[in-house]
Amino acid sequence: DAKTTQPTSMDCAEGRAANLPCNHSTISGNEYVYWYRQIHSQGPQYIIHGLKNNETNEMASLIITEDRKSSTLILPHATLRDTAVYYCIVRVGGQAGTALIFGKGTTLSVSS
Amino acid sequence: GAGVSQSPSNKVTEKGKDVELRCDPISGHTALYWYRQRLGQGLEFLIYFQGNSAPDKSGLPSDRFSAERTGESVSTLTIQRTQQEDSAVYLCASSPTGSWRLAFFGQGTRLTVV
Repeated sequence: DAKTTQPTSMDCAEGRAANLPCNHSTISGNEYVYWYRQIHSQGPQYIIHGLKNNETNEMASLIITEDRKSSTLILPHATLRDTAVYYCIVRVGGQAGTALIFGKGTTLSVSS
Repeated sequence: GAGVSQSPSNKVTEKGKDVELRCDPISGHTALYWYRQRLGQGLEFLIYFQGNSAPDKSGLPSDRFSAERTGESVSTLTIQRTQQEDSAVYLCASSPTGSWRLAFFGQGTRLTVV
């Protein structure tokens, strides 16, 4: 699986959009971009994933560049409860059962 | 149960002792994963089960670590002769086959080796 690079930490004011970048310059054509987050003392939680097109769900939006070498997770109106470590992972889609490999992620701190 | 259940939630053990950590996955989830997370670190993959077999054990750090799964349900991670570097939170996740979008993690077992 391709390696990802994320900033170690980011800050965001409550109510503002949080934009979390991820570089995955060695991504291959059949690899998806997954985002997870881990709130303190809890297990990781799936947020969103995508291949080429931008994706949106009730939690977030995922913007993938045209060359697919980077992506941005957007939390449109961050709340204090969004304070967590956010992991960007690339993984071959349809690959039944293989483990997700987590990096160190970005620690997002949302403050009032 | 409604979610992935892990027990115990906390375990303190003396160096050299054996410990067993238990994971009860979501009913019907055929895939089960174990991860380890040391303090301030990311998640480290240990082992993956599909049904009762483990096609990927590549993350087990040493032969002191073993895991089994029975009845395509509960899984036990065993650490023999524990060392201080084994101190970590051990997380279990389960999913329908291959579907990480539908994977859920348990709350973890915090293991402290003293």
